[in-house]
Amino acid sequence: QQPVQSPQAVILREGEDAVINCSSSKALYSVHWYRQKHGEAPVFLMILLKGGEQKGHDKISASFNEKKQQSSLYLTASQLSYSGTYFCGTEYWPGGGNKLTFGTGTQLKVEL
Amino acid sequence: EADIYQTPRYLVIGTGKKITLECSQTMGHDKMYWYQQDPGMELHLIHYSYGVNSTEKGDLSSESTVSRIRTEHFPLTLESARPSHTSQYLCASSESLSHTDTQYFGPGTRLTVL
Repeated sequence: QQPVQSPQAVILREGEDAVINCSSSKALYSVHWYRQKHGEAPVFLMILLKGGEQKGHDKISASFNEKKQQSSLYLTASQLSYSGTYFCGTEYWPGGGNKLTFGTGTQLKVEL
Repeated sequence: EADIYQTPRYLVIGTGKKITLECSQTMGHDKMYWYQQDPGMELHLIHYSYGVNSTEKGDLSSESTVSRIRTEHFPLTLESARPSHTSQYLCASSESLSHTDTQYFGPGTRLTVL
């Protein structure tokens, strides 16, 4: 089953904050976050692992709640360049192989 | 910066034709992937490979086939294209089996089957 993302879409004014959630019905080992601009390839943002390890972007933060099987991506002081569709890719427990199932996507638009 | 290439970028072709979508990476990555993505929708894994001579089907059933004869090359073939195959196809690679390894994506091939 693919993870569910919320909200489906959000519009922000430049400088505002946003939170994007990714929820799974299966136990997670890792969550990977990507941003895709229209007509372009997805670009890596962040990886979060069961146990708390993180690797990623210095201007974007995220959390991984193992109990709730949920990850949240925090975008603070948004810029126009943050616009795009955000996808979470999940690797289910016990993991192995870096094989990801991608979520439904969240469209983010930042306006002046 | 990742170096992963896909050709062609755009392809419009008639029903019944055989097509091969090319994907190459110059990073020496062991793992490679093919995803299918309809406009504005999520990515679906259709094939992946752990290394040379290794190929597996992904979560989404696909009539395409893949091969991995060389580390850097992971082509996808459709023997007889149909309009239902119209979509964007994205190739990706990652360094190893580690869970912390980023998947790097190519620019994609937009396929339209008439």
